[in-house]
Amino acid sequence: EPEVTQTPSHQVTQMGQEVILRCVPISNHLYFYWYRQILGQKVEFLVSFYNNEISEKSEIFDDQFSVERPDGSNFTLKIRSTKLEDSAMYFCASRLEGTLGTDTQYFGPGTRLTVL
Amino acid sequence: AQSVTQPDIHITVSEGASLELRCNYSYGATPYLFWYVQSPGQGLQLLLKYFSGDTLVQGIKGFEAEFKRSQSSFNLRKPSVHWSDAAEYFCAVGSNDYKLSFGAGTTVTVRA
Repeated sequence: EPEVTQTPSHQVTQMGQEVILRCVPISNHLYFYWYRQILGQKVEFLVSFYNNEISEKSEIFDDQFSVERPDGSNFTLKIRSTKLEDSAMYFCASRLEGTLGTDTQYFGPGTRLTVL
Repeated sequence: AQSVTQPDIHITVSEGASLELRCNYSYGATPYLFWYVQSPGQGLQLLLKYFSGDTLVQGIKGFEAEFKRSQSSFNLRKPSVHWSDAAEYFCAVGSNDYKLSFGAGTTVTVRA
């Protein structure tokens, strides 16, 4: 069964450094998402991406964040200058554009980002 | 704005006993409702979903959920839990653009 993959599984970085989290969505999917889960808190929506542009973003997704689909298979989340509060599990998700009401988002295993 | 409430932070259940996890949602239109499970160190796995039609939906691993519009609820049930069901369970509601809003989660502990 096809699945969403994410690399790395765990990333440790120093405050102020740039990080890039990588995701490979399911190959025929067209909509892509990033969510994050701070330890002990709920999963929060960050951004959705379709047709090579952001379709929606949350308040969390400020200028420090960016997303890109550089090569038709990867979907990346970049944090330009990490802060301590960016420490979280980051989940990538994808879905196939289908009939209204039938789509499901499939999630990757997550990347745990630790900012020191 | 859409939101989800999971009133129970933690539930402990004996193996073989039944399980019910509560979920209440707030959404102005017809909701798309989901239950995901997260095992320790793992990602989010879809258990089941409701989009329309039959209000009792069956999912994987023997789970089912019932959509009750009058109560704005989408409770998850399993008749007989197994030790492997110990995990965190998230209810989520989807909007028209399919962005998911998650509840805070319910941690299920299964005792022998």
